[in-house]
Amino acid sequence: DGGITQSPKYLFRKEGQNVTLSCEQNLNHDAMYWYRQDPGQGLRLIYYSQIVNDFQKGDIAEGYSVSREKKESFPLTVTSAQKNPTAFYLCASSTGETDTQYFGPGTRLTVL
Amino acid sequence: GEDVEQSLFLSVREGDSSVINCTYTDSSSTYLYWYKQEPGAGLQLLTYIFSNMDMKQDQRLTVLLNKKDKHLSLRIADTQTGDSAIYFCADRSWGKLQFGAGTQVVVTP
Repeated sequence: DGGITQSPKYLFRKEGQNVTLSCEQNLNHDAMYWYRQDPGQGLRLIYYSQIVNDFQKGDIAEGYSVSREKKESFPLTVTSAQKNPTAFYLCASSTGETDTQYFGPGTRLTVL
Repeated sequence: GEDVEQSLFLSVREGDSSVINCTYTDSSSTYLYWYKQEPGAGLQLLTYIFSNMDMKQDQRLTVLLNKKDKHLSLRIADTQTGDSAIYFCADRSWGKLQFGAGTQVVVTP
């Protein structure tokens, strides 16, 4: 089955700790994205990567970091510098002329 | 910056048609999308339309685009209880997607 997987589905962390969210895709897509979703709001772009070993900041990159060492993988680290990290995090990937984005199932992060 | 706006809530009876509306501001939008999100899940792509089209039909879904007014709508025919979800419109410009806040659709028997 081709698709995007995110793990874990639920994640709890204590204040002051860094945490890494996993995103893997086997769709052979070139581009990958991380979004944050808060209740009652649309998705906001954190980081995106159009090719391996390259990534750009989105609209709300402060307090987050990413890497893109492999085409299939785009992990997101939520650092202790992120003031309000509790949210639902969504990963997406895209390819082709339409660049249509397909989403993973999401990870819900709660900071205790 | 670019804005995408949607009404927040829609209630519809089972079997009726639903119409979800969206307005956007960026005139350089190339593609516009509709996604569906069920509780606790990721976004599921429903359909998309290229900016030079007026209409696209895909089974029970009809997308209408009025580029002059920057207005996009999604019509769901014969709405079912399984259509209850949050629906997001998004426009793509300069390689990025800008999302609306989502419309919660509740289908009542």
